[in-house]
Amino acid sequence: GENVEQHPSTLSVQEGDSAVIKCTYSDSASNYFPWYKQELGKRPQLIIDIRSNVGEKKDQRIAVTLNKTAKHFSLHITETQPEDSAVYFCAAQLNYQLIWGAGTKLIIKP
Amino acid sequence: KAGVTQTPRYLIKTRGQQVTLSCSPISGHRSVSWYQQTPGQGLQFLFEYFSETQRNKGNFPGRFSGRQFSNSRSEMNVSTLELGDSALYLCASSLTGQPGDTIYFGEGSWLTVV
Repeated sequence: GENVEQHPSTLSVQEGDSAVIKCTYSDSASNYFPWYKQELGKRPQLIIDIRSNVGEKKDQRIAVTLNKTAKHFSLHITETQPEDSAVYFCAAQLNYQLIWGAGTKLIIKP
Repeated sequence: KAGVTQTPRYLIKTRGQQVTLSCSPISGHRSVSWYQQTPGQGLQFLFEYFSETQRNKGNFPGRFSGRQFSNSRSEMNVSTLELGDSALYLCASSLTGQPGDTIYFGEGSWLTVV
């Protein structure tokens, strides 16, 4: 079955710097890759997603890149702000099931 | 339009009891999935339903079960509760569950087993 690995588990960056979180997946049939942000005590919310026929997608300060050959995808956050502090989850969809990474706790230092 | 609604939000149960959690998806959404999230842990997939049929099941013991009704509302049940079942249970809905459908989460039901 599908397996998703996410790194790093914790990432601490200075406010204003960029943050990059990486995920790898195992099943080449996976074709949809969303990223969710979960703030403390709140529900996960979709921040960006990418389909397997696209290599890159950008939405303001957030971008996702996908390398199908290497089976990895990454989340890029530029000009980080305090409100970016949260846990970020990547996922890969195979059939009707999302397989999730273990999450990355992003800490923005003032 | 209303989001995914889960009830109850918080509950405390005793070991050995059983519990039923309820989820009302976004209007028009027919796919409902359930996840378990323990403190500091990721999202563990429990099961997914579409049109009252379970299409996928995660790697959980048979004590965890679910169902979906004709109006797409879903319930999950955990029998013979164990201390390790203490967790946040999240319900999520999407239009069809197909790749690319955005999945929306409810606020979750916090279950504490004592």
